[in-house]
Amino acid sequence: GAGVSQTPSNKVTEKGKYVELRCDPISGHTALYWYRQSLGQGPEFLIYFQGTGAADDSGLPNDRFFAVRPEGSVSTLKIQRTERGDSAVYLCASSFGQGDTQYFGPGTRLTVL
Amino acid sequence: AQSVTQLGSHVSVSEGALVLLRCNYSSSVPPYLFWYVQYPNQGLQLLLKYTSAATLVKGINGFEAEFKKSETSFHLTKPSAHMSDAAEYFCAVLSGGSNYKLTFGKGTLLTVNP
Repeated sequence: GAGVSQTPSNKVTEKGKYVELRCDPISGHTALYWYRQSLGQGPEFLIYFQGTGAADDSGLPNDRFFAVRPEGSVSTLKIQRTERGDSAVYLCASSFGQGDTQYFGPGTRLTVL
Repeated sequence: AQSVTQLGSHVSVSEGALVLLRCNYSSSVPPYLFWYVQYPNQGLQLLLKYTSAATLVKGINGFEAEFKKSETSFHLTKPSAHMSDAAEYFCAVLSGGSNYKLTFGKGTLLTVNP
């Protein structure tokens, strides 16, 4: 079956611009997660959705970052007023439920010039 | 709070040699532990996971890992390396205090020499 998909695979933007990153989870998975992987580091947790609601957004670095999952399936990570320090690979994962194995998408590589 | 330490950011082995990638964790409660592999320009793929059943866990591609509570370790091994094993490997912990938030180590890049 289809795995987690993320679009775009690469995004180059200029400092100060707004970007949206999309994640399509595995069908039937109720839990969805966003992680950020900076160069030379392991992924770091950003936010967790159970259904439509953000159950834990404690990993979002500041209020420029926001994520939604309006219908409990596709999720969008939104970054306002991008900064060069936001450059990273943004990974999405999904699982059947809380505590189940997380399956990762290929990521979106964001480059802020 | 839980944490993961991967000893050695880069490990190089010869084809056919033993692969040993080290992972130590800290957790205030019995953890679930994972090894993921990341090939270039790809997402993370689950190799194996420990969820408090057998302490020796077998995964895909001939990899296995042993949970040692006394050493707080979960080292990854493979008896004979293949060229196709060259990738970055991440150890992660999912602690009972937060059974959805994976905490990852910094990763170990494995290179396999012919």
